[in-house]
Amino acid sequence: EPEVTQTPSHQVTQMGQEVILRCVPISNHLYFYWYRQILGQKVEFLVSFYNNEISEKSEIFDDQFSVERPDGSNFTLKIRSTKLEDSAMYFCASSTSPRDHTDTQYFGPGTRLTVL
Amino acid sequence: DQQVKQNSPSLSVQEGRISILNCDYTNSMFDYFLWYKKYPAEGPTFLISISSIKDKNEDGRFTVFLNKSAKHLSLHIVPSQPGDSAVYFCAASGQNNQGGKLIFGQGTELSVKP
Repeated sequence: EPEVTQTPSHQVTQMGQEVILRCVPISNHLYFYWYRQILGQKVEFLVSFYNNEISEKSEIFDDQFSVERPDGSNFTLKIRSTKLEDSAMYFCASSTSPRDHTDTQYFGPGTRLTVL
Repeated sequence: DQQVKQNSPSLSVQEGRISILNCDYTNSMFDYFLWYKKYPAEGPTFLISISSIKDKNEDGRFTVFLNKSAKHLSLHIVPSQPGDSAVYFCAASGQNNQGGKLIFGQGTELSVKP
């Protein structure tokens, strides 16, 4: 069964460093998402991406964050200058249909980001 | 942001019995609801969904009920099995979310004891 994959599974970085989290969405999916979950808190939406542009972003997704689909398979989340509070599990998700909010989103296993 | 709330952080049930997980929402623009299951160190796995035009959706041992007037939904698992032990998240989306954003509840940790 096709699945969303994410690398690395765990990333440790120093405060102020740039990190890139990578995701390979399910191959025929067209809509891509990033969510995060700070330990003990809810899963929170960060950004959605379709047709090479951001569809929607949350207040968390400020200028320090960016997303990119550099090729036909990868979808990346970049944090330019990490802060301690960026420590969280970051989940990538994808779905098939653009503009259909009832289409099921399938999640990857997550990347645990630890900022020291 | 408390638009989706799961008020029970944990639930313990005996194997073979019914598990009922509850979820409340406040935003009347939500019209699609999902339940995800999450094991430790894994991502959320889609379980079942319901559109606001329905009040019940069933898939095997899992049934989701939606009460729009009360802005409440519940997930029933019958019979519960030890493998069902996980954190269950309720999530919602609405037509006004062109980007397909899901709003999640805090999760309920279900423990099914043999």
